[in-house]
Amino acid sequence: GQSLEQPSEVTAVEGAIVQINCTYQTSGFYGLSWYQQHDGGAPTFLSYNALDGLEETGRFSSFLSRSDSYGYLLLQELQMKDSASYFCARFSSGSARQLTFGSGTQLTVLP
Amino acid sequence: KAGVTQTPRYLIKTRGQQVTLSCSPISGHRSVSWYQQTPGQGLQFLFEYFSETQRNKGNFPGRFSGRQFSNSRSEMNVSTLELGDSALYLCASSERPGSSGANVLTFGAGSRLTVL
Repeated sequence: GQSLEQPSEVTAVEGAIVQINCTYQTSGFYGLSWYQQHDGGAPTFLSYNALDGLEETGRFSSFLSRSDSYGYLLLQELQMKDSASYFCARFSSGSARQLTFGSGTQLTVLP
Repeated sequence: KAGVTQTPRYLIKTRGQQVTLSCSPISGHRSVSWYQQTPGQGLQFLFEYFSETQRNKGNFPGRFSGRQFSNSRSEMNVSTLELGDSALYLCASSERPGSSGANVLTFGAGSRLTVL
């Protein structure tokens, strides 16, 4: 149970709020991370949730519910530069403690 | 502090050849992980090295191998290249191995491999 599910695409307009969901299968769990990747760029770390609840970092917030095996990334006051792919990721427990990424959500911000 | 450096950035190979990619982690980071990124499969974990030892390996054939040197620099090698190996290969470094969910990975810009 290592897979993480995300919507493939989300579109929103500048100034809006968008939520990117991530559901995962539970087989040992060390929290949920989020990464952003612009076209042609490297993934960059955005946030991490070890426990249930909301973590806020400026315009970005991330939420985790371990009982529901669910998390989301909330982007507020969208800007054109937020157009990118967003990946949820988790480390699993056990012997193979690798960081597994979701398939990514392509966010397009329209003017 | 300098970021994660990957070389070469772009390369073209033909089927059957082999390729070696290099990654220099952030100074002080001792853990290096490698990922393959393709449009269809997303980011797939290849392997992780810490203190010159492979700690974890993803579900890739034995044609994919790697190593880490005493200065934490890492290389990965792909032998007998296939068309399906065309991908962006990303290296990420962190201070410690992936044993904590709070471990932040810093990625390099990647090496884009095209196999013809």
